[in-house]
Parts: sequence; structure tokens; C-alpha cells
Amino acid sequence: DVVLTQTPPTLSATIGQSVSISCRSSQSLLHSNGNTYLHWLLQRPGQSPQLLIYLVSRLESGVPNRFSGSGSGTDFTLKISGVEAEDLGVYYCVQGTHAYTFGAGTKLELK
Amino acid sequence: QVNLLQSGAALVKPGASVKLSCKASGYTFTDYYIHWVKQSHGKSLEWIGYINPNSGYTNYNEKFKSKATLTVDKSTNTAYMELSRLTSEDSATYYCTRSWLRGWGQGVMVTVSS
Repeated sequence: DVVLTQTPPTLSATIGQSVSISCRSSQSLLHSNGNTYLHWLLQRPGQSPQLLIYLVSRLESGVPNRFSGSGSGTDFTLKISGVEAEDLGVYYCVQGTHAYTFGAGTKLELK
Repeated sequence: QVNLLQSGAALVKPGASVKLSCKASGYTFTDYYIHWVKQSHGKSLEWIGYINPNSGYTNYNEKFKSKATLTVDKSTNTAYMELSRLTSEDSATYYCTRSWLRGWGQGVMVTVSS
């Protein structure tokens, strides 16, 4: 099974600060069709997860452009350029190249 | 917009089965797979499997092959997941979500207790 390792497990930030979350895969997530099925989700407290970024770097409709994704192969990063209060919650990377697996999550909290 | 409405919370006895529902609206039901995801309390997410509502084809996480059965009723745009031989390890919140994990149900909490 593909293992996704997210770091850090917890992130403390002030409003307006820029932060990054890393997601490393135990195998390359490049599919034979040329796509890399690595996505990012946010789960706010008490809510269902929601899709933020799909296919590494594509911003889901309605998601603010302060969110961005990058990476390739086995190393991926989610960046938030200027944290806002509504961004607090747990961020998960998820891969869909080899079935589906989720990272353990990164909790973003206010400093 | 995409809406997935799940059935209410369930309290079930060990050894029993439970069938969860996920009613889709706001899009053509047969155009997108339905995935099911497990979230144990305070923990991360686990993919259980998906079903193609058009063909009924299913693909399961090996871990859940003998635990979960996915079905659909195209006449009511509803997907179902039956969990069998329940134990305390099955107590969790279960979500349905559409292809690309775009659009999630509100989740249903299943508690297994005598």
C-alpha cells in the first residue's frame, strides 16, 4: 500500500502568516496516463472534508487563490499564502494513483 | 450543486449488520462514482471502496472486502453501504463522496455497542 507521510502533524500560525505542509509518498504517484492523482482536503472542526486542490496544483472551484499546490513524483507541498481564520482545521493529502490512501493529517491552529 | 444526503446515526449490536444510505442530487447520478470513507474518532481517513452507479462495478480496499458491500439504486439516486459482522473497531463516522472527492455527505456515525 502507498503510505503518505505528512509533516508537520501540527502547525501553529498567526493570521496573515504563510505556511506550508509537506506530503511525501512511499511510491511515485505519476500514473501511466500522465496524471498525478495527488489531492488536498481540508476538514474544518465538526465538518466533512472538502476538496481544495486536485491533480497536485489545480485549485478547486470556489477555493481562494491563497491556496496553492506543487510537487511531483513523491514530494508534494500545500502552501497557504496568508492564513485566515476560516483556514483552521485538519489538512489531508490523498492519493488516487494506487487505489486511495490518505495522509495522517496536519492540524492548523492559531498561535 | 452537488448534494449527498446520508442516513442518520446508527447504534448497532456487535455481530449485527447495518446499511447506510447516501442520496445524491444536483447532478446526474450515473455519471460519477460514489466512494465511501471511514473516519475513526479523532483519526485520519480510510478509503473503503467505490461503486460505479451506471454499471454497478465495485472496487474495494482489500482491508474492507469482507466487511463492506456497496450497492446503488438508480431509480432513487441512492448509494448504499452495508457493513457486516460489526465489532467495536467498526465504530466510526462514515462518509460518502463523489468522484474526485468532490462533494461529501455530512457523515453518519455508527456506534457498535451491546
